[in-house]
Amino acid sequence: NAGVTQTPKFRVLKTGQSMTLLCAQDMNHEYMYWYRQDPGMGLRLIHYSVGEGTTAKGEVPDGYNVSRLKKQNFLLGLESAAPSQTSVYFCASRTGNTGELFFGEGSRLTVL
Amino acid sequence: DQQVKQNSPSLSVQEGRISILNCDYTNSMFDYFLWYKKYPAEGPTFLISISSIKDKNEDGRFTVFLNKSAKHLSLHIVPSQPGDSAVYFCAASRVHTGNQFYFGTGTSLTVIP
Repeated sequence: NAGVTQTPKFRVLKTGQSMTLLCAQDMNHEYMYWYRQDPGMGLRLIHYSVGEGTTAKGEVPDGYNVSRLKKQNFLLGLESAAPSQTSVYFCASRTGNTGELFFGEGSRLTVL
Repeated sequence: DQQVKQNSPSLSVQEGRISILNCDYTNSMFDYFLWYKKYPAEGPTFLISISSIKDKNEDGRFTVFLNKSAKHLSLHIVPSQPGDSAVYFCAASRVHTGNQFYFGTGTSLTVIP
């Protein structure tokens, strides 16, 4: 089992460019999440989904959009990248209301 | 406002001794707590969890203690091993009414051989 897979692993963007991060999970989990990790800030929730076709805002949703068209995939989009979005992004999934989060390996994004 | 806090950014412990990592939370509605371990360039991995109906949960060398009145939890690692050197995050959630997990800022543990 691959678990949670994120692509790409690294990306460099110029300010104003757009991009999409893809998260795929093969565990048939209902819930999927996008977090960002910044120095001294821990993991902060951007958006999450409780099932196919649903999305909801987390703690820091501004500047990001998400889509969950298929149960196994959760896409994170940056419409117009800003240097403040330079971060490491983690996708996670879990099953049901209980249970821990399973994380991907992370995607490092640099916005110049 | 940070709902889950880890006030010690780093901790160094000798191999074989006990490591104690602390975490405080502000929301009394949290009822499910977890600890994650993270190595550089990898995603966090689940370590141990505890429900608010318990005050202690053990798994091998790892024990989590929960003090609900103080809104405090701690992770004890005994004995500490060099391979335990990593960043540890605590997280909190409301199991039945919430879908969000709130994470602390992490504590970097170094176990000295």
